Amino acid sequence: AQTVTQSQPEMSVQEAETVTLSCTYDTSESDYYLFWYKQPPSRQMILVIRQEAYKQQNATENRFSVNFQKAAKSFSLKISDSQLGDAAMYFCAYLRGGSEKLVFGKGTKLTVNP
Amino acid sequence: NAGVTQTPKFRILKIGQSMTLQCAQDMNHNYMYWYRQDPGMGLKLIYYSVGAGITDKGEVPNGYNVSRSTTEDFPLRLELAAPSQTSVYFCASSYSNYGANVLTFGAGSRLTVL
Repeated sequence: AQTVTQSQPEMSVQEAETVTLSCTYDTSESDYYLFWYKQPPSRQMILVIRQEAYKQQNATENRFSVNFQKAAKSFSLKISDSQLGDAAMYFCAYLRGGSEKLVFGKGTKLTVNP
Repeated sequence: NAGVTQTPKFRILKIGQSMTLQCAQDMNHNYMYWYRQDPGMGLKLIYYSVGAGITDKGEVPNGYNVSRSTTEDFPLRLELAAPSQTSVYFCASSYSNYGANVLTFGAGSRLTVL
């Protein structure tokens, strides 16, 4: 079974600085997708960024980018110029191609200090 | 558009009671999902549906039932509530599972079983 591991239960960053959240996953599949979801205190789950495994280029969405290391099965999220509104739980998730079953990690709580 | 609407937002149940969590989406999405989120954990898939009249089990289906009589609605039924079902429940939907399965989530329903 596929597993997703987030080894940092909590992280903190100063406003305007950069922080990297770690995620590793275990799979024997070649066709899969990886996601980062944000869950602010409102509980609403929001997609931050996604990566197709067949793409070598790292995905980027404004201040959010990933470092996708396929051989190492690593998928870290970098948040640049951190803002107070970035404070949230961040979940890494894995989806096997053609499957409906998204597998989540346990999450990393990010605190942004003013 | 309202997106994905869940009701109720909060509910307290006594052991052995039954209830239904309602979920409705207005985006004409084919796929709908129910997840539960326990404290300090990621989301786990309970049931999902790929279209009206079709449902299937996820990772943690025991103690729950679902139905999908329309494209819009996907209620989750809890029979004989147990303390282990205390959790936050999220409904989500997506247009299809082709490519990256980007989910739209509801705001969650917090259920406490005493």
